Amino acid sequence: EPEVTQTPSHQVTQMGQEVILRCVPISNHLYFYWYRQILGQKVEFLVSFYNNEISEKSEIFDDQFSVERPDGSNFTLKIRSTKLEDSAMYFCASRTSGTHPQRDFGPGTRLTVL
Amino acid sequence: GENVEQHPSTLSVQEGDSAVIKCTYSDSASNYFPWYKQELGKRPQLIIDIRSNVGEKKDQRIAVTLNKTAKHFSLHITETQPEDSAVYFCAASQDNYGQNFVFGPGTRLSVLP
Repeated sequence: EPEVTQTPSHQVTQMGQEVILRCVPISNHLYFYWYRQILGQKVEFLVSFYNNEISEKSEIFDDQFSVERPDGSNFTLKIRSTKLEDSAMYFCASRTSGTHPQRDFGPGTRLTVL
Repeated sequence: GENVEQHPSTLSVQEGDSAVIKCTYSDSASNYFPWYKQELGKRPQLIIDIRSNVGEKKDQRIAVTLNKTAKHFSLHITETQPEDSAVYFCAASQDNYGQNFVFGPGTRLSVLP
């Protein structure tokens, strides 16, 4: 069964550095999402993406964040200048264009900002 | 915006007993309610979902009930097994393609052998 994949599994960076988290959604999915989960807390929505543009974003998704689908398979989340509080698990998710609203989640990237 | 609350935050049951987790939501426009199971260090996995035109849905040992009037929905796990131990998250959303899920804070379920 196809799955969403994410790289890297763990990223350590210094505060102020830029990071790019990568996701490969399931191939026939057309809607893409990023979520984050601070350790021990709930999963929080960051942004949704469809037809090469952001369809919705949360208040967490400020100017430091951007998303891109640079080619036909990858979906990336960039954090321009990381802060300590950006340390979290970041999950990518995707869904089909059909009537089923469920998302398939990737395994996550653990981002640690020092 | 939508707000989802979830209770209890932790739940311990003996193997074989039933477990019930309850969620409430605030936005009456929400019409899709999934439940996700997250094992330690793993991705959230959908275990069951329900739409607002249905009051109950069952899949083997797992069932979800929805009360639209009261704006709450519950997850029921019967005959619990140690492998049911995980964090369970409920979520609510409108069934639009881009609409984000709002997750509850999670319930840590421990099934004791």
